[in-house]
Amino acid sequence: EVQLVESGGGLVQPGRSMKLSCAASGFTFSNYGMAWVRQAPTKGLEWVATISYDGSSTYYRDSVKGRFTISRDNAKSTLYLQMNSLRSEDTATYYCTRVRNYDFDYWGQGVMVTVSS
Amino acid sequence: EIVLTQSPTTMAASPGEKVTLTCLASSSVNYMYWYQQKSSASPKLLIYYTSSLASGVPDRFSGSGSGTSYSLTISSMEAEDAAIYYCLQLTSTPLTFGSGTKLEIK
Repeated sequence: EVQLVESGGGLVQPGRSMKLSCAASGFTFSNYGMAWVRQAPTKGLEWVATISYDGSSTYYRDSVKGRFTISRDNAKSTLYLQMNSLRSEDTATYYCTRVRNYDFDYWGQGVMVTVSS
Repeated sequence: EIVLTQSPTTMAASPGEKVTLTCLASSSVNYMYWYQQKSSASPKLLIYYTSSLASGVPDRFSGSGSGTSYSLTISSMEAEDAAIYYCLQLTSTPLTFGSGTKLEIK
């Protein structure tokens, strides 16, 4: 059974940093691209970043480019999202997703990030 | 950026009723993907490559369309189908979702 379990969220002040993790199991992690998708409270879904199966390619939405870094450790079957210079508009539930072909076929339960002073 | 416009924003359907949700893209896309999100749960993939049913999805769900116009159809509404439905385009970055259609049961 595919499982994606996010961790590392919480309350953080504007301008500070936070690192999210996503532990994957139930599939060969190193064979799949991975992505982060977020959802602000009562809002819709927003793609954040994608990383290729081997970590050699990464893609970001403009609003997080230069502030967020997606990475992975295939030996640990773990995906990361390093978030720097956080803003109030980054407040959201962050979902870890598996990329199958190009779509997001499995999602974690999500982790809440609140940026507030 | 490709903007996806979903309609209606909200609708209610009776059990057994046929439901059609629409997603219009601001530019032509190769395929459309559809997700279902029930309250407080993670999104679930329903349809990929415009019309392919994801694993475990009931066959009352179907997808169609091309170019800039796509639709998701539920052939016979069931209470468990009450949810928010999002379309997604993967043709160009940034990858974009529609704003969602909230489907309620009458």
